[in-house]
Amino acid sequence: NAGVTQTPKFQVLKTGQSMTLQCAQDMNHNSMYWYRQDPGMGLRLIYYSASEGTTDKGEVPNGYNVSRLNKREFSLRLESAAPSQTSVYFCASSDDMGDYEQYFGPGTRLTVT
Amino acid sequence: GQSLEQPSEVTAVEGAIVQINCTYQTSGFYGLSWYQQHDGGAPTFLSYNALDGLEETGRFSSFLSRSDSYGYLLLQELQMKDSASYFCAVRDMYGQNFVFGPGTRLSVLP
Repeated sequence: NAGVTQTPKFQVLKTGQSMTLQCAQDMNHNSMYWYRQDPGMGLRLIYYSASEGTTDKGEVPNGYNVSRLNKREFSLRLESAAPSQTSVYFCASSDDMGDYEQYFGPGTRLTVT
Repeated sequence: GQSLEQPSEVTAVEGAIVQINCTYQTSGFYGLSWYQQHDGGAPTFLSYNALDGLEETGRFSSFLSRSDSYGYLLLQELQMKDSASYFCAVRDMYGQNFVFGPGTRLSVLP
């Protein structure tokens, strides 16, 4: 039981490049989330998926797209990376949207130069 | 919208008790959660309060006063491994959006 896994762990991009961050969970959770965390700050919600087949914008969705590929997997895509997107990205999951406990992956540290 | 406030830093010595406060403003309220995050690590869930009062889980306790829009996390018998950042979080009125506070960095000194 690996919980929530994310790939890659580290990534460096040049401005304008694109990439997809992968996330998978093996807890049979319905809801999944993508957050970003900037230095010394809390987490901000980018997108979430309440259940398979649905996605919705969070607090800071601009510049990102997501895909809920199946119940296990939720990917985050940066179409044209910008230095402002340099951050640590965390994927999380919970049993349902109303669940107060979220399980987080180890994070992806992204630098855009 | 929602906003949360926490002290940015707290320092205490091993064996002591420390309280980390959180005040919130929300358009709806469905509970206050607390998460711990060690440097370079992922946030991990500590506790949750939906109703007023104190919830105890081992050395950690969490308190909520909905009338004051206020909660705190109480850490007892501090250990060096408790040095971490602590975040409070609330769910919005639709129960779908988690909003995290800015975090409190706790340093435990020997």
